[in-house]
Amino acid sequence: AQSVTQLDSQVPVFEEAPVELRCNYSSSVSVYLFWYVQYPNQGLQLLLKYLSGSTLVKGINGFEAEFNKSQTSFHLRKPSVHISDTAEYFCAVTFGGTSYGKLTFGQGTILTVHP
Amino acid sequence: GAGVSQTPSNKVTEKGKYVELRCDPISGHTALYWYRQSLGQGPEFLIYFQGTGAADDSGLPNDRFFAVRPEGSVSTLKIQRTERGDSAVYLCASSSRGGDEQFFGPGTRLTVL
Repeated sequence: AQSVTQLDSQVPVFEEAPVELRCNYSSSVSVYLFWYVQYPNQGLQLLLKYLSGSTLVKGINGFEAEFNKSQTSFHLRKPSVHISDTAEYFCAVTFGGTSYGKLTFGQGTILTVHP
Repeated sequence: GAGVSQTPSNKVTEKGKYVELRCDPISGHTALYWYRQSLGQGPEFLIYFQGTGAADDSGLPNDRFFAVRPEGSVSTLKIQRTERGDSAVYLCASSSRGGDEQFFGPGTRLTVL
């Protein structure tokens, strides 16, 4: 079965500390991977995506993610977080050969950055 | 330019009633998606339009749910005989043809009493 799992529902962290939000997927077909962010009272916004090529992808606001095919993971990282990074983060995947179409989302991780 | 807009932003209805939710995609975007987000969960796919036709409706939960996009722009999600379990935020997204970035609207919060 094809699925997406975000291992942490909540991640608290202090300002300027590094953070990693974990995402794993299950699939027997090719995948395209995305991270979206949802700030309070706003719509979902694309942070970054992996389609092909280098497995380390960089996104907006200093975030990056690494695609690990052997571990079926696509973890999101930031070396130093800011208060304004407080939001809910969603990992999403398209399965089976196209980068468009139906997105399957993980359950979300709420990142709370404390001063 | 204008993003994806959804109306109404909030809808409260009674069990058994019919509701319509509207989505205005970004101008020129040929692909349009509907998702449903229940409390504490990630968005769940409902249906995807390419132009006027439904390219993938595999996420519609049952025949009470129906969506149309008659002119390839605005879309309406229709829910008949609403149930309390239909309460959720309904999200709409659009993208350019073959585009991999989906642009999301702010959602419609549906509450079924």
